[in-house]
Amino acid sequence: IQLTQSPSSLSASVGDRVTITCRASQDISDYLAWYQQRPGKAPKLLIYATSTLQSGVPSRFSGSGSGTDFTLTISSLQPEDFASYYCQQLNSYPLTFGGGTKVEIK
Amino acid sequence: QGELQQWGAGVLKPSETLSLTCAVYVGSFSGHYWTWIRQSPGKGLEWIGEIKESGRTTYNPSLKGRVTMSVDTSKNQFSLRLTSVTAADTAVYYCARAKSLYFGALSVPYYIDYWGQGTPVAVSS
Repeated sequence: IQLTQSPSSLSASVGDRVTITCRASQDISDYLAWYQQRPGKAPKLLIYATSTLQSGVPSRFSGSGSGTDFTLTISSLQPEDFASYYCQQLNSYPLTFGGGTKVEIK
Repeated sequence: QGELQQWGAGVLKPSETLSLTCAVYVGSFSGHYWTWIRQSPGKGLEWIGEIKESGRTTYNPSLKGRVTMSVDTSKNQFSLRLTSVTAADTAVYYCARAKSLYFGALSVPYYIDYWGQGTPVAVSS
């Protein structure tokens, strides 16, 4: 299953609302997770099962969608949110990741 | 130390075998999917495969039979071997833990909640 993320990069300011899209090549139900990755670090789980916030993750992060179209929203961008974001489908093997979205400071 | 600690050779020559090991210091070793993922600039994040404490494995077909994973439950460790490496295998390799989602007695990986620190591997002659 191919996951297509858009945009591949974006520039935004602190306080902005940011939306990242992940489109699957076939129906994956709600078996989608989102990860944040800072430079030189391992990815960190933000959201699983499309919309369930991982413990300890700020509530400004939210996820939605089902089937083939999913979104990650950051309601008010904070300085520590400038990073790359990846979606992952866990509906079927081989598990796959989206190509990533890099969120940069405007 | 981190919850998952990994180690292995970081520089290989073409045709050699990549070998990495990951030690688990978080939670129970049973009931999870022990996973290897790699990240290269050209291909992003790539799921290599997973192994359960029983030794049951699932691999990415893209690696065409070059992958072998194993577990040592006495040490709470799992390992990755990738044979016949080429420059295309140059990447940062991560070990990770995937939580299980249960359907009665059956389970599937649900999400990855712990990652190792990553091991950069370079393949060059």
